Amino acid sequence: GNSVTQMEGPVTLSEEAFLTINCTYTATGYPSLFWYVQYPGEGLQLLLKATKADDKGSNKGFEATYRKETTSFHLEKGSVQVSDSAVYFCASQGAQKLVFGQGTRLTINP
Amino acid sequence: NAGVTQTPKFQVLKTGQSMTLQCAQDMNHNSMYWYRQDPGMGLRLIYYSASEGTTDKGEVPNGYNVSRLNKREFSLRLESAAPSQTSVYFCASSEIWLRGETQYFGPGTRLLVL
Repeated sequence: GNSVTQMEGPVTLSEEAFLTINCTYTATGYPSLFWYVQYPGEGLQLLLKATKADDKGSNKGFEATYRKETTSFHLEKGSVQVSDSAVYFCASQGAQKLVFGQGTRLTINP
Repeated sequence: NAGVTQTPKFQVLKTGQSMTLQCAQDMNHNSMYWYRQDPGMGLRLIYYSASEGTTDKGEVPNGYNVSRLNKREFSLRLESAAPSQTSVYFCASSEIWLRGETQYFGPGTRLLVL
């Protein structure tokens, strides 16, 4: 079945640092890939997604590129802000169900 | 639009008690889902409803039942709560049951079973 493996957290950075959160997946066929973000005390919300190989999803300065050759969908941001502190989930969806990684807690210090 | 709403926000139960978690969406979505979130494990699908009138098991259905009451509402019932069901429960919805569709999540219900 499908599975998603995320970079272990927690991750702590200073404001304006470069961010990478690694995500790799295993799947039969070509799944759609997502990054969801969960701010403290809230539900998950979609950050970005890509539905086919080489697609790049982007939103709020975050980017991730669907890499079929390395089965990866790493999340990047060039300059993080304190307001980016949250838990980030990578997810994969094959024919049906959405499968989540374990989540990466990100803390940005001023 | 309120999006996806869940009640209650927080609940404490004793082992063996029953309760129903309520979920409603006002986006006219066809598909609805129940997940549980446990530390270090991401979200796991409990049950889903691809369309009104249908429900199916997800990854961790044991100990739960669901009802798709109408297009808007999808409830999750614990008949006899166990400490292993202590978790945060999220309801979600999507326009249709299709690869690539965005799911929209409620704020969650935190459940503690003693």
